[in-house]
Amino acid sequence: DQQVKQNSPSLSVQEGRISILNCDYTNSMFDYFLWYKKYPAEGPTFLISISSIKDKNEDGRFTVFLNKSAKHLSLHIVPSQPGDSAVYFCAASVTRGGKLIFGQGTELSVKP
Amino acid sequence: ETGVTQSPTHLIKTRGQQVTLRCSSQSGHNTVSWYQQALGQGPQFIFQYYREEENGRGNFPPRFSGLQFPNYSSELNVNALELDDSALYLCASSYRRDNNYGYTFGSGTRLTVV
Repeated sequence: DQQVKQNSPSLSVQEGRISILNCDYTNSMFDYFLWYKKYPAEGPTFLISISSIKDKNEDGRFTVFLNKSAKHLSLHIVPSQPGDSAVYFCAASVTRGGKLIFGQGTELSVKP
Repeated sequence: ETGVTQSPTHLIKTRGQQVTLRCSSQSGHNTVSWYQQALGQGPQFIFQYYREEENGRGNFPPRFSGLQFPNYSSELNVNALELDDSALYLCASSYRRDNNYGYTFGSGTRLTVV
């Protein structure tokens, strides 16, 4: 039972354009959502998070949107840069500090 | 901040053997979690330790066990290794204070079982 799903295994975007990564979840008890970026041979690096009481959170070029009724969240990267090329994971938890349930990841490639 | 360090970075073991993976958590972080990431998949939660006691466990058999020590370091032990245990094992430390928390991941240990 995959509670967190990233249905696009890969995404290719031109430098300077917007990257939109999507994530769907099934568990309505999830209270906290996070996005991580992962380069090969490194651990996941935290990007941005959002609490279930909010529908948007911004941090520089990164914005996360949460649609609770649709059980959907997305990560927007504007403008995209070649250094953003990595695998992006969304993750969710029922309680803050509790276990994280990860999606399968989306590999983003930003072309110069 | 000292970050999260894991050792070893790579390891090759034979089926049936036992392995111990180590994690040095970020100073002051009293919660540590372990995850298994198979190739092409997202990390899967193995278990979590809080103040040296197991505080949640994922869908992994008892041959996966752990320890957390007072100095914020921890271990993941896997007995009777199987080929399917080949994966990247990630350690994450977090700190709970009121409503503020976050997770810091180590770079992982790549375990290959042959």
